[in-house]
Amino acid sequence: KAGVTQTPRYLIKTRGQQVTLSCSPISGHRSVSWYQQTPGQGLQFLFEYFSETQRNKGNFPGRFSGRQFSNSRSEMNVSTLELGDSALYLCASTKDRNTEAFFGQGTRLTVV
Amino acid sequence: QKEVEQDPGPLSVPEGAIVSLNCTYSNSAFQYFMWYRQYSRKGPELLMYTYSSGNKEDGRFTAQVDKSSKYISLFIRDSQPSDSATYLCAPSRENTDKLIFGTGTRLQVFP
Repeated sequence: KAGVTQTPRYLIKTRGQQVTLSCSPISGHRSVSWYQQTPGQGLQFLFEYFSETQRNKGNFPGRFSGRQFSNSRSEMNVSTLELGDSALYLCASTKDRNTEAFFGQGTRLTVV
Repeated sequence: QKEVEQDPGPLSVPEGAIVSLNCTYSNSAFQYFMWYRQYSRKGPELLMYTYSSGNKEDGRFTAQVDKSSKYISLFIRDSQPSDSATYLCAPSRENTDKLIFGTGTRLQVFP
C-alpha cells in the first residue's frame, strides 16, 4: 500500500516568488493536513481539508493557502515568498476524523 | 504557556536501556494521543495511537496517557541504536485532525 506522496521533495525559490506543493494521500484517506516544520518553531499546523472543504486553519498569514481536489489530493500555495518560509512542509493523511495520521516525507523549501 | 511541553533533550542512553519519554499538556479537551518518530531529514513516522487514558503496548513500545494529570509517556524497552531519532508527542481534540506537536525529544542510543 503506497504511503503519502509529496512532490517535489526539494525546492529552491527566490524571495517574492510563489510556490505550489502537492500531496497525494494514502488511497482511501479523505482528510489531508499540512504542517510547517522549522528548527525554531517545530511542527506547526497550517490547514486541514476533508472532502474538498477546509475544516481548520492555523495561525499563518494569508499568503499560505491550500485546496483539496475530489480525488483527495491536496495542494498548498505560498505566495510572495519570504526567507522565513524556508522549512520542511509536511502533509498528513487520515482515513476519517480522529484516526491515525500518516505523514509524507515532506517538501524541503529553501527561499534565497 | 505552550499547549504541549516536551523536554528537547538530547537524551543519551546505552543500548538495551529502558527509555522514558514524556509530554505534558494543558488542554483538557485532548482525547487522541499519538507518538511519532522522526529521523533526520525524514517525515514523522507514526509509532503509537491511543484514545483517552490508559496504556497501549506494541512490541518494545508502550504508550501511557494519564488525563487526570495531563501527562503522556512513551516507554521503549531494550533500546537499539536504530531507535536514535527525535520523538514527538501529538495530541488532538475530538472532531479535528489538527495535531498539536511537542518540540520533540532527541534520543541517542549508543552501542
